[in-house]
Amino acid sequence: QITLKESGPTQVKPTQTLTLTCTFSGFSLLSTGVAVGWMRQPPGKALEWLALVYWDDDKRYSPTLRSRLTITKDTSKNQVVLTMTNMDPVDTATYYCAHRMPQLAPHVTFDSWGQGTLVTVYS
Amino acid sequence: SSELTQDPAVSVALGQTVRITCQGDTLRFYYAGWYQQKPGQAPVLVIFGKNNRPSGIPDRFSGSSSGNTASLTISGAQAEDEADYYCNSRANGSNHVVFGGGTKLTVL
Repeated sequence: QITLKESGPTQVKPTQTLTLTCTFSGFSLLSTGVAVGWMRQPPGKALEWLALVYWDDDKRYSPTLRSRLTITKDTSKNQVVLTMTNMDPVDTATYYCAHRMPQLAPHVTFDSWGQGTLVTVYS
Repeated sequence: SSELTQDPAVSVALGQTVRITCQGDTLRFYYAGWYQQKPGQAPVLVIFGKNNRPSGIPDRFSGSSSGNTASLTISGAQAEDEADYYCNSRANGSNHVVFGGGTKLTVL
């Protein structure tokens, strides 16, 4: 059974850097085709993809947020970390991590999601 | 373009069939995934690949695709199907990921 859980601060101030950790179980980020993605969802709005890290350490970022995002993996801890710099109130959202189905490569579909963590950026 | 377009809202009478669509050039090359999201909950995958349902998803959910349009069909909609539905895919020509803007389904 695949599980993922996001953790990190619930509140940050403008201009600060947000660091979120996704801790997972039930799969290995060393297995071919596996990837973990981060998405976010502002209150009442749509899902937005942020970043994706593959088993081979290939990393992809949203073109609109690329300059602010860094995604890394720690296979020994079964964790994926997302950092987002220069936080702004518009970045207030629920942040999700999710497992990408390796058997559907090259397609990208997420079959298991974390519960999400709400991050509020307040001044 | 790598965008995915969905109708913002759709309604269906209880027990009737409804189709939710997702349009984008990338769908000519890549499968859409379909997700159901209820208020306060994380998205749940309901359709993947050509037309596959994860374990536990009722068989009233089905998927199809033609050209640049992917569709999610709910045959015999139930009250519990009222939710937001999102499509996603890989963006053509890159390794980026895209999501549609979501469709709010109301079951009357």
